[in-house]
Amino acid sequence: AQSVTQLDSQVPVFEEAPVELRCNYSSSVSVYLFWYVQYPNQGLQLLLKYLSGSTLVKGINGFEAEFNKSQTSFHLRKPSVHISDTAEYFCAVTENHGNQFYFGTGTSLTVIP
Amino acid sequence: DAGVIQSPRHEVTEMGQEVTLRCKPISGHDYLFWYRQTMMRGLELLIYFNNNVPIDDSGMPEDRFSAKMPNASFSTLKIQPSEPRDSAVYFCASSPSRQIPEAFFGQGTRLTVV
Repeated sequence: AQSVTQLDSQVPVFEEAPVELRCNYSSSVSVYLFWYVQYPNQGLQLLLKYLSGSTLVKGINGFEAEFNKSQTSFHLRKPSVHISDTAEYFCAVTENHGNQFYFGTGTSLTVIP
Repeated sequence: DAGVIQSPRHEVTEMGQEVTLRCKPISGHDYLFWYRQTMMRGLELLIYFNNNVPIDDSGMPEDRFSAKMPNASFSTLKIQPSEPRDSAVYFCASSPSRQIPEAFFGQGTRLTVV
């Protein structure tokens, strides 16, 4: 089975500062990678996904992530955060011949005014 | 499409009672997943279905939990009898196909067992 590691459980950052949320996965086979965002009392919403092609993936709300196969990483970045980015962020992976989505434990991003 | 619809949004019940959570997936999606989210364990996959057939229920915590998908537009997760440790947010998600691997989540059901 896959495992997804999000090393930072909480990330505080000042408004308009850059942020990186880290994600590593365990698979040695081909995978699809995802970042989801969860606002308070809401379900998970897809931010971006990597299926194939360019390793730099752009998503909604100005987020982007880079797939690094050699380091089995898929870190999420944003150059300038807003207060509205305060939320829980989940990294997920599924094998491209599989059906299950494996989620990390989440990173709580808090944007400080 | 209205997205994945879960009901109820909130449920408070007494220990020992039966609880039924409901989910309507997005029309045309082949896969349906049930997840449980708690502070301690994060997001856990309980069970998933492909074309209404349960594929993997290894995440179901114990026999008190059961899930059904009688047709492509409806699924239930039942807990009988419920216990306080079952308190959590339960999410249903659906996915179009293996070729389109994206999970769409419902708003969740917050279950409190007292």
